[in-house]
Amino acid sequence: GAVVSQHPSRVICKSGTSVKIECRSLDFQATTMFWYRQFPKQSLMLMATSNEGSKATYEQGVEKDKFLINHASLTLSTLTVTSAHPEDSSFYICSAVRQGSNEKLFFGSGTQLSVL
Amino acid sequence: ELKVEQNPLFLSMQEGKNYTIYCNYSTTSDRLYWYRQDPGKSLESLFVLLSNGAVKQEGRLMASLDTKARLSTLHITAAVHDLSATYFCAVDPSSGGGADGLTFGKGTHLIIQP
Repeated sequence: GAVVSQHPSRVICKSGTSVKIECRSLDFQATTMFWYRQFPKQSLMLMATSNEGSKATYEQGVEKDKFLINHASLTLSTLTVTSAHPEDSSFYICSAVRQGSNEKLFFGSGTQLSVL
Repeated sequence: ELKVEQNPLFLSMQEGKNYTIYCNYSTTSDRLYWYRQDPGKSLESLFVLLSNGAVKQEGRLMASLDTKARLSTLHITAAVHDLSATYFCAVDPSSGGGADGLTFGKGTHLIIQP
């Protein structure tokens, strides 16, 4: 079964509204989660690294005030797209690192955001 | 800046044929991942290659890693239609554990025709 849950899987919103996407690690604690964005027929681009209890680290060119990341617990990171515009329409995917002797990276199921 | 180059980007092949997808990367890394993505879906992990010379096989897919050449290959043997998907390689630039996020190749869109 899925070890990283991402919700919602699909969201349609009006331009100017904000959308929150949740990423949960189900059976492990994740001090680090990642948020990626994928435009149609393109690759995944790392947006930011979400660190539990501290500020997220954003990749160059990603607006931190537009893409708010909160990693308030060891099992939950949220990405809020503020004042969404049509150009923000994309597939957003989170991933979480399960650290330990069997380190592994898990991906969420993705969120398709469509901004009208 | 880490660059991951994947080729070909598009591949149409017939069932029963063999083919190889190549993934070159620009910096030292001991961790390379292969993923499959179906349309509208997230990533399905295929292989994690952790050391030079690593070779892993699952069904009709086999992946290898040459860290000296900074090259990984994904070989498809006797392709079947169900393998049609987009395949991504991704490199972990950190010392391990995906601590810096992954850098993905552009993906290979594979179509297997009967």
